[in-house]
Amino acid sequence: TAGITQAPTSQILAAGRSMTLRCTQDMRHNAMYWYRQDLGLGLRLIHYSNTAGTTGKGEVPDGYSVSRANTDDFPLTLASAVPSQTSVYFCASSDGRDRESGYTFGSGTRLTVV
Amino acid sequence: QKEVEQNSGPLSVPEGAIASLNCTYSDRVSQSFFWYRQYSGKSPELIMSIYSNGDKEDGRFTAQLNKASQYVSLLIRDSQPSDSATYLCAVLYNFNKFYFGSGTKLNVKP
Repeated sequence: TAGITQAPTSQILAAGRSMTLRCTQDMRHNAMYWYRQDLGLGLRLIHYSNTAGTTGKGEVPDGYSVSRANTDDFPLTLASAVPSQTSVYFCASSDGRDRESGYTFGSGTRLTVV
Repeated sequence: QKEVEQNSGPLSVPEGAIASLNCTYSDRVSQSFFWYRQYSGKSPELIMSIYSNGDKEDGRFTAQLNKASQYVSLLIRDSQPSDSATYLCAVLYNFNKFYFGSGTKLNVKP
């Protein structure tokens, strides 16, 4: 089934440790995104990539980094985790050329930083 | 800052009634508008999109857009308990950047 795969599904991480959240899509979408979702705050954009080789900062980029070496993969790295990064992280992609197609979301990664 | 505002709810409606969900946005340059449904513990899924003024119908769902007043709404006819979820409004800018509201929780009571 075409779509977005995120891994891991959940993780408990010690503060100060690093971690990479993986995201892979097989729809050949140009644009990819990372969001975090916190209760009462909705979805907030962390980083995005309009096409392979380019990335940009969203609303809440501090403490996170991304790379886009190819069309399919868009990993999110936490260099030194802090408890405030406890959240549910969603990767998403869009065609970028169709104003009606919206996002396709991955199933999410639930991260707890202790 | 582009803002998308939604009433957090919860909005409670009886089974079979019409549920009306509303969303306002701040930027007149907005291109397209989307409604997502998110069940607890799951990822958002797209219900409908709309980019022209007026109504767009898809089954029990109708999206309404009024660009002059900067609001978009979602009507759910014949509401079912399975419609109970959080509904997210999203606004598209520049063909590739979306801004989300914080969502309205809908409870449909049997």
